[in-house]
Amino acid sequence: AQKVTQAQTEISVVEKEDVTLDCVYETRDTTYYLFWYKQPPSGELVFLIRRNSFDEQNEISGRYSWNFQKSTSSFNFTITASQVVDSAVYFCALAILTGGGNKLTFGTGTQLKVEL
Amino acid sequence: KAGVTQTPRYLIKTRGQQVTLSCSPISGHRSVSWYQQTPGQGLQFLFEYFSETQRNKGNFPGRFSGRQFSNSRSEMNVSTLELGDSALYLCASSFRDRDTGELFFGEGSRLTVL
Repeated sequence: AQKVTQAQTEISVVEKEDVTLDCVYETRDTTYYLFWYKQPPSGELVFLIRRNSFDEQNEISGRYSWNFQKSTSSFNFTITASQVVDSAVYFCALAILTGGGNKLTFGTGTQLKVEL
Repeated sequence: KAGVTQTPRYLIKTRGQQVTLSCSPISGHRSVSWYQQTPGQGLQFLFEYFSETQRNKGNFPGRFSGRQFSNSRSEMNVSTLELGDSALYLCASSFRDRDTGELFFGEGSRLTVL
């Protein structure tokens, strides 16, 4: 069975601070995908990134960056120079490739509050 | 391009009733997935449909069912509602079969069971 752990329930930062959201996953499959989704107050989940298990290269997209380390089964997400608009719940998720399709296993989410 | 549309956005039911939720995917998308979100259990996968066929099913009782129509629109039904069914039900669509996670979500249908 798959499991995703987001140990940080809530994080509060002041605008312009950098913040890292942690994600640890468990799976026995060797082929899988990891994701981050953002859920603003409106409710819809917004796709941020997908990373497959064979690609450990870190990725940067604007103020967002992701650090994937198979050795520690972690896929952490860093927001640089946070802004108030970044306030949301962030979910890490896992999908196995074999028969997994679009069945995602989500973590419990991290509520990020960015204050002025 | 219109996003994923879910109706109704909010509804209140009483225990024992049944409910049907609707999801219209993004035009051209053929895969539709449903997720339940509750404070206690978080986001849990319900089922996935592609070309009118259920491809995956989560660990939910048989009271939860769904279907997909030829135009890719999907409905989910919950019969004999229980208090614990109160949740935000999210629908997601993707273009391909087994897009493995790059899903486009709707804003959800918030169900309250009294």
